[in-house]
Amino acid sequence: RKEVEQDPGPFNVPEGATVAFNCTYSNSASQSFFWYRQDCRKEPKLLMSVYSSGNEDGRFTAQLNRASQYISLLIRDSKLSDSATYLCVVIRSGGYQKVTFGTGTKLQVIP
Amino acid sequence: DAGVTQSPTHLIKTRGQQVTLRCSPKSGHDTVSWYQQALGQGPQFIFQYYEEEERQRGNFPDRFSGHQFPNYSSELNVNALLLGDSALYLCASSSLQGKANYGYTFGSGTRLTVV
Repeated sequence: RKEVEQDPGPFNVPEGATVAFNCTYSNSASQSFFWYRQDCRKEPKLLMSVYSSGNEDGRFTAQLNRASQYISLLIRDSKLSDSATYLCVVIRSGGYQKVTFGTGTKLQVIP
Repeated sequence: DAGVTQSPTHLIKTRGQQVTLRCSPKSGHDTVSWYQQALGQGPQFIFQYYEEEERQRGNFPDRFSGHQFPNYSSELNVNALLLGDSALYLCASSSLQGKANYGYTFGSGTRLTVV
């Protein structure tokens, strides 16, 4: 089983829709979680950290479920500019940190 | 404030050749991590440098080697290039041995094509 798994998509949604992605992780010792956004042929950019209490940044909400070992990203009122690949990142400490990326979920927002 | 800079942006090499990629971390960052991202895949961790030493290594062969300089900049070297080494190579910098709370800052990458 992969340490971090994501549904590759693509998720094709109309403008204004709400869309959610999940990312599961296999190691319960994982400590820190992030969502990154990657546009086509560009580098990943940090979108938001994920906290146990959940956190919101405008139209974006991130949640962590430690019991079920997954994180989620909810995007409300999708914009065309939200079209990108969303990568989840899981960090596990133990001597040195181990940073693992998911393969990414592709989102296409359609006019 | 300069972010992470990588050079060159694009590179074409022939199978069997050697290549060196360069990375300058974001100002104030002391840790550099290198990733390989094949088309349609997530970034795969190659190795991480801190205090001029390789601190962690992913599942990559010894053909992949690196170096970190006193100014924190780093190089990634790949010997005996294979067609499968064609990918986007990303450099990410962070501070204090990659403390998670601050995430990583990525460079725009070097796109390597091996023919």
